[in-house]
Amino acid sequence: GESVGLHLPTLSVQEGDNSIINCAYSNSASDYFIWYKQESGKGPQFIIDIRSNMDKRQGQRVTVLLNKTVKHLSLQIAATQPGDSAVYFCAVTMNSGYSTLTFGKGTMLLVSP
Amino acid sequence: NAGVTQTPKFQVLKTGQSMTLQCAQDMNHEYMSWYRQDPGMGLRLIHYSVGAGITDQGEVPNGYNVSRSTTEDFPLRLLSAAPSQTSVYFCASSFAGLGQAFFGQGTRLTVV
Repeated sequence: GESVGLHLPTLSVQEGDNSIINCAYSNSASDYFIWYKQESGKGPQFIIDIRSNMDKRQGQRVTVLLNKTVKHLSLQIAATQPGDSAVYFCAVTMNSGYSTLTFGKGTMLLVSP
Repeated sequence: NAGVTQTPKFQVLKTGQSMTLQCAQDMNHEYMSWYRQDPGMGLRLIHYSVGAGITDQGEVPNGYNVSRSTTEDFPLRLLSAAPSQTSVYFCASSFAGLGQAFFGQGTRLTVV
């Protein structure tokens, strides 16, 4: 099976700082990794994904880094804004996401002005 | 374009009652899935479907049934509700695989 853990349940940052949210997974056969954002009272929203044949992928103000050697991935948010305040989940899957998907417990990002 | 629509938003059930959580999507996605989210936990996959007529079990399928008669709809049935099924339930749809999913707003279910 797969287990997914996060290093910090809560991360507090100042507006304008860069944020880094971490995630660790257990199964070296995992090949597809996704980050979701969940605002209070809403369903999760897809942010960015990365496949195991890549080490880094960038989106708008977000970067995901994957270290397969230590089974670790991170989400970096540049110039964090109050609207980024939410719970962030990593999700991990094998078989490119065509079977099961395992979520971590989430990190709550709090951005203060 | 509504995306993924879940009904109801809130529901209180008595132990032993049955009910169906509805989920509909209008994006013509093949994949649909149901998750439950408990306090301080990530989402856990209950059941998923890779297309009309095809369903499979996820991580926590016991106590839940699903069917997929159309591409658009993927209802989740609780046959005999138990307090352990108190949770927030999310339905999701995706074009290919479970990864880049669009989620509904959730159904908050309380079983007393």
